[in-house]
Amino acid sequence: DIVMTQTPLSLSVTPGQPASISCKSSQSLLHSDGRTYLYWYLQKPGQSPQLLIYEVSSRFSGVPDRFSGSGSGTDFTLKISRVEAEDFGVYYCMQGIHLPYTFGQGTKLEIK
Amino acid sequence: EVQLVESGGGLVQPGGSLRVSCAASEFTFSNYWMSWVRQTPGKGLEWVANINEDGSEKYYVDSVKGRFTISRDNAKNSLYLQMNSLRVEDTAVYYCVRQTAFDIWGQGTVVTVSS
Repeated sequence: DIVMTQTPLSLSVTPGQPASISCKSSQSLLHSDGRTYLYWYLQKPGQSPQLLIYEVSSRFSGVPDRFSGSGSGTDFTLKISRVEAEDFGVYYCMQGIHLPYTFGQGTKLEIK
Repeated sequence: EVQLVESGGGLVQPGGSLRVSCAASEFTFSNYWMSWVRQTPGKGLEWVANINEDGSEKYYVDSVKGRFTISRDNAKNSLYLQMNSLRVEDTAVYYCVRQTAFDIWGQGTVVTVSS
Protein backbone atom coordinates (compact mmCIF):
# COMPACT_ATOMS: atom_id res chain seq x y z
CA ASP A 1 0.00 0.00 0.00
CA ILE A 2 1.13 3.57 -0.63
CA VAL A 3 1.94 5.38 2.60
CA MET A 4 1.08 9.08 2.76
CA THR A 5 3.08 11.06 5.32
CA GLN A 6 2.00 14.55 6.30
CA THR A 7 4.07 17.11 8.17
CA PRO A 8 3.55 18.79 10.49
CA LEU A 9 0.77 16.96 12.32
CA SER A 10 -0.30 20.19 13.97
CA LEU A 11 0.11 23.81 13.08
CA SER A 12 -0.75 26.89 15.09
CA VAL A 13 -1.27 29.99 12.95
CA THR A 14 -2.35 33.57 13.55
CA PRO A 15 -5.17 34.65 11.21
CA GLY A 16 -3.71 36.59 8.31
CA GLN A 17 -0.47 34.62 8.33
CA PRO A 18 0.51 31.93 5.79
CA ALA A 19 0.50 28.20 6.38
CA SER A 20 2.08 25.27 4.59
CA ILE A 21 1.54 21.51 4.85
CA SER A 22 3.72 18.83 3.30
CA CYS A 23 2.59 15.45 2.04
CA LYS A 24 4.97 12.74 0.88
CA SER A 25 3.97 9.50 -0.78
CA SER A 26 5.93 6.25 -0.67
CA GLN A 27 5.48 5.80 -4.43
CA SER A 28 5.08 8.14 -7.36
CA LEU A 29 1.53 9.36 -7.92
CA LEU A 30 2.16 10.10 -11.60
CA HIS A 31 -0.10 7.96 -13.75
CA SER A 32 0.72 6.77 -17.26
CA ASP A 33 -2.06 9.07 -18.46
CA GLY A 34 0.10 12.02 -17.44
CA ARG A 35 -2.06 13.05 -14.48
CA THR A 36 -0.98 12.99 -10.85
CA TYR A 37 -3.69 11.75 -8.50
CA LEU A 38 -3.04 13.72 -5.33
CA TYR A 39 -5.87 15.43 -3.50
CA TRP A 40 -6.29 17.73 -0.49
CA TYR A 41 -9.28 17.83 1.86
CA LEU A 42 -10.32 19.92 4.84
CA GLN A 43 -12.45 18.50 7.60
CA LYS A 44 -14.01 21.06 9.90
CA PRO A 45 -15.24 19.96 13.35
CA GLY A 46 -18.43 17.93 13.12
CA GLN A 47 -18.39 17.91 9.31
CA SER A 48 -17.42 15.56 6.51
CA PRO A 49 -14.18 16.12 4.62
CA GLN A 50 -14.49 18.62 1.77
CA LEU A 51 -12.40 18.65 -1.39
CA LEU A 52 -10.05 21.60 -1.75
CA ILE A 53 -7.51 20.62 -4.40
CA TYR A 54 -7.50 17.83 -6.99
CA GLU A 55 -4.67 16.51 -9.16
CA VAL A 56 -2.03 18.40 -7.17
CA SER A 57 -2.92 21.97 -8.02
CA SER A 58 -6.47 22.40 -9.35
CA ARG A 59 -8.82 24.18 -6.96
CA PHE A 60 -12.28 22.65 -6.59
CA SER A 61 -15.32 24.75 -7.32
CA GLY A 62 -15.80 27.51 -4.75
CA VAL A 63 -12.42 27.09 -3.07
CA PRO A 64 -10.79 30.49 -2.43
CA ASP A 65 -7.62 31.31 -4.34
CA ARG A 66 -5.67 31.69 -1.09
CA PHE A 67 -5.40 27.89 -1.26
CA SER A 68 -2.79 26.50 -3.64
CA GLY A 69 -1.28 23.09 -4.25
CA SER A 70 2.04 22.17 -5.77
CA GLY A 71 4.47 19.30 -6.16
CA SER A 72 5.17 16.30 -8.31
CA GLY A 73 6.05 12.63 -8.09
CA THR A 74 6.15 11.93 -4.39
CA ASP A 75 6.40 15.38 -2.76
CA PHE A 76 3.47 17.73 -2.46
CA THR A 77 2.56 20.92 -0.61
CA LEU A 78 -0.63 22.73 0.29
CA LYS A 79 -0.24 26.44 0.98
CA ILE A 80 -2.66 28.96 2.41
CA SER A 81 -1.50 32.47 1.61
CA ARG A 82 -3.40 34.15 4.47
CA VAL A 83 -5.21 31.95 6.94
CA GLU A 84 -8.77 32.94 7.80
CA ALA A 85 -10.96 31.79 10.69
CA GLU A 86 -12.96 29.45 8.43
CA ASP A 87 -9.77 27.58 7.43
CA PHE A 88 -9.21 25.93 10.79
CA GLY A 89 -9.69 22.19 10.98
CA VAL A 90 -7.85 19.06 9.89
CA TYR A 91 -6.25 18.80 6.46
CA TYR A 92 -5.73 15.49 4.70
CA CYS A 93 -3.90 14.50 1.55
CA MET A 94 -4.99 11.43 -0.38
CA GLN A 95 -3.62 9.38 -3.25
CA GLY A 96 -6.03 8.12 -5.87
CA ILE A 97 -3.73 6.20 -8.20
CA HIS A 98 -3.26 2.81 -6.56
CA LEU A 99 -5.76 0.68 -4.68
CA PRO A 100 -6.27 0.82 -1.81
CA TYR A 101 -6.53 4.59 -1.93
CA THR A 102 -4.80 5.98 1.14
CA PHE A 103 -4.89 9.14 3.21
CA GLY A 104 -2.32 11.02 5.21
CA GLN A 105 -2.65 11.11 9.01
CA GLY A 106 -4.06 14.62 8.94
CA THR A 107 -2.67 18.02 9.94
CA LYS A 108 -4.62 19.98 12.52
CA LEU A 109 -4.58 23.72 11.81
CA GLU A 110 -5.35 25.66 14.98
CA ILE A 111 -5.78 29.31 15.86
CA LYS A 112 -2.72 30.86 17.54
CA GLU B 1 -28.05 20.60 -4.50
CA VAL B 2 -25.83 17.59 -5.19
CA GLN B 3 -26.17 15.41 -2.12
CA LEU B 4 -25.38 12.03 -0.60
CA VAL B 5 -27.29 10.89 2.47
CA GLU B 6 -26.25 7.79 4.40
CA SER B 7 -28.48 5.73 6.67
CA GLY B 8 -28.59 2.40 8.44
CA GLY B 9 -25.82 2.75 10.99
CA GLY B 10 -26.24 1.50 14.52
CA LEU B 11 -25.00 -0.73 17.30
CA VAL B 12 -24.25 -4.35 16.45
CA GLN B 13 -22.54 -7.16 18.31
CA PRO B 14 -19.26 -8.65 17.13
CA GLY B 15 -19.97 -11.25 14.47
CA GLY B 16 -23.19 -9.54 13.48
CA SER B 17 -24.32 -7.93 10.24
CA LEU B 18 -25.46 -4.51 9.14
CA ARG B 19 -26.30 -2.85 5.84
CA VAL B 20 -25.71 0.84 5.36
CA SER B 21 -27.25 2.76 2.49
CA CYS B 22 -26.58 5.97 0.64
CA ALA B 23 -29.14 7.96 -1.34
CA ALA B 24 -27.84 10.21 -4.09
CA SER B 25 -29.64 13.24 -5.46
CA GLU B 26 -29.25 16.02 -8.01
CA PHE B 27 -26.68 14.28 -10.18
CA THR B 28 -26.70 11.38 -12.62
CA PHE B 29 -25.73 8.67 -10.16
CA SER B 30 -25.29 6.00 -12.83
CA ASN B 31 -22.43 7.95 -14.43
CA TYR B 32 -20.09 7.74 -11.44
CA TRP B 33 -17.85 5.35 -9.61
CA MET B 34 -18.74 5.43 -5.92
CA SER B 35 -16.75 4.63 -2.78
CA TRP B 36 -17.23 3.98 0.90
CA VAL B 37 -14.69 5.60 3.24
CA ARG B 38 -14.62 5.14 7.00
CA GLN B 39 -13.15 7.24 9.77
CA THR B 40 -12.02 6.24 13.24
CA PRO B 41 -10.23 8.34 15.86
CA GLY B 42 -7.37 5.87 15.90
CA LYS B 43 -6.82 5.10 12.20
CA GLY B 44 -8.09 8.29 10.59
CA LEU B 45 -9.62 8.07 7.14
CA GLU B 46 -9.62 4.69 5.42
CA TRP B 47 -10.94 3.85 1.96
CA VAL B 48 -13.07 0.70 2.25
CA ALA B 49 -14.52 -0.22 -1.15
CA ASN B 50 -15.58 1.11 -4.51
CA ILE B 51 -17.84 0.16 -7.39
CA ASN B 52 -17.97 1.18 -11.02
CA GLU B 53 -20.87 2.79 -12.83
CA ASP B 54 -22.83 -0.37 -13.64
CA GLY B 55 -21.74 -2.45 -10.66
CA SER B 56 -19.59 -4.88 -12.65
CA GLU B 57 -16.32 -3.92 -10.93
CA LYS B 58 -15.80 -3.87 -7.18
CA TYR B 59 -12.68 -3.45 -5.09
CA TYR B 60 -12.06 -3.71 -1.36
CA VAL B 61 -9.39 -2.94 1.20
CA ASP B 62 -7.83 -6.17 2.41
CA SER B 63 -9.22 -5.87 5.95
CA VAL B 64 -12.83 -6.20 4.74
CA LYS B 65 -12.46 -8.62 1.82
CA GLY B 66 -14.81 -11.56 2.17
CA ARG B 67 -16.86 -9.78 4.86
CA PHE B 68 -18.17 -6.61 3.18
CA THR B 69 -20.04 -6.31 -0.11
CA ILE B 70 -20.58 -3.06 -1.99
CA SER B 71 -23.51 -2.80 -4.38
CA ARG B 72 -25.66 -0.22 -6.09
CA ASP B 73 -29.13 0.23 -7.56
CA ASN B 74 -28.98 2.87 -10.27
CA ALA B 75 -32.76 2.88 -10.68
CA LYS B 76 -33.01 3.97 -7.04
CA ASN B 77 -29.91 6.21 -7.08
CA SER B 78 -28.62 4.22 -4.13
CA LEU B 79 -25.36 2.74 -2.91
CA TYR B 80 -25.08 0.02 -0.29
CA LEU B 81 -22.51 -1.62 1.94
CA GLN B 82 -23.41 -5.00 3.39
CA MET B 83 -21.19 -5.70 6.37
CA ASN B 84 -21.00 -9.24 7.76
CA SER B 85 -18.85 -10.84 10.47
CA LEU B 86 -18.38 -7.42 11.98
CA ARG B 87 -15.43 -6.83 14.31
CA VAL B 88 -14.83 -4.26 17.02
CA GLU B 89 -12.26 -2.63 14.74
CA ASP B 90 -14.97 -1.94 12.12
CA THR B 91 -16.42 0.68 14.47
CA ALA B 92 -16.32 3.94 12.53
CA VAL B 93 -18.21 6.67 10.77
CA TYR B 94 -18.95 5.37 7.26
CA TYR B 95 -19.07 7.91 4.43
CA CYS B 96 -20.50 7.48 0.98
CA VAL B 97 -18.33 9.38 -1.53
CA ARG B 98 -18.62 10.23 -5.20
CA GLN B 99 -15.36 9.03 -6.56
CA THR B 100 -14.57 11.72 -9.11
CA ALA B 101 -11.80 13.30 -7.06
CA PHE B 102 -13.81 12.19 -4.01
CA ASP B 103 -15.59 15.50 -4.52
CA ILE B 104 -18.92 14.85 -2.80
CA TRP B 105 -19.20 13.25 0.67
CA GLY B 106 -22.25 12.31 2.66
CA GLN B 107 -22.67 13.32 6.27
CA GLY B 108 -21.71 9.84 7.46
CA THR B 109 -23.45 7.11 9.44
CA VAL B 110 -22.04 5.73 12.69
CA VAL B 111 -21.46 2.01 13.01
CA THR B 112 -20.56 0.72 16.46
CA VAL B 113 -19.51 -2.89 16.95
CA SER B 114 -19.59 -3.78 20.61
CA SER B 115 -20.90 -6.41 22.97
